[in-house]
Amino acid sequence: EAQVTQNPRYLITVTGKKLTVTCSQNMNHEYMSWYRQDPGLGLRQIYYSMNVEVTDKGDVPEGYKVSRKEKRNFPLILESPSPNQTSLYFCATGTAYNEQFFGPGTRLTVL
Amino acid sequence: LAKTTQPISMDSYEGQEVNITCSHNNIATNDYITWYQQFPSQGPRFIIQGYKTKVTNEVASLFIPADRKSSTLSLPRVSLSDTAVYYCLVGDNFNKFYFGSGTKLNVKP
Repeated sequence: EAQVTQNPRYLITVTGKKLTVTCSQNMNHEYMSWYRQDPGLGLRQIYYSMNVEVTDKGDVPEGYKVSRKEKRNFPLILESPSPNQTSLYFCATGTAYNEQFFGPGTRLTVL
Repeated sequence: LAKTTQPISMDSYEGQEVNITCSHNNIATNDYITWYQQFPSQGPRFIIQGYKTKVTNEVASLFIPADRKSSTLSLPRVSLSDTAVYYCLVGDNFNKFYFGSGTKLNVKP
């Protein structure tokens, strides 16, 4: 079954404690992306990757890092999380021309 | 990066046709127009995509005028399960995407 998986699905952490949210896809897509969603602000793109070892900033990259060492995985790293990074995070992957497939989401709370 | 403008919310009744219009005045020549649907606490789901004129699939139609500065998503005979947020995006073959806040469609019985 074609899918995008994210782990963990829910996470409560404290300010400054480094964390990683994993994203994996089994669709052999080159494109992957991370979004955050906050009430009233819709989905905002954090980072995206056109291929292995190729990443670029989206609209809200501050405070986040990503890596793309292999095609199927695109982890999102928060080196020093802060409360304003409390959000619902979505990973997405895609094939041609803007059709993206989204993961189930990770709800992160930073205290 | 082409940005879009959509109504914040719309109400409809079951069985009606719903048309949601999106404005994208700065659309570039190579940009495609794509619509997504999102239910609460779920990731968005691709609905339909087009470049010009009209596109139809099993769930929706997309109307794009000649100047491409707007587009209209048409949902025929909506049901309660169509209550969701609908996003319009423009872009060319994967780069940055701007989802905006979308249009919250509320379908009433």
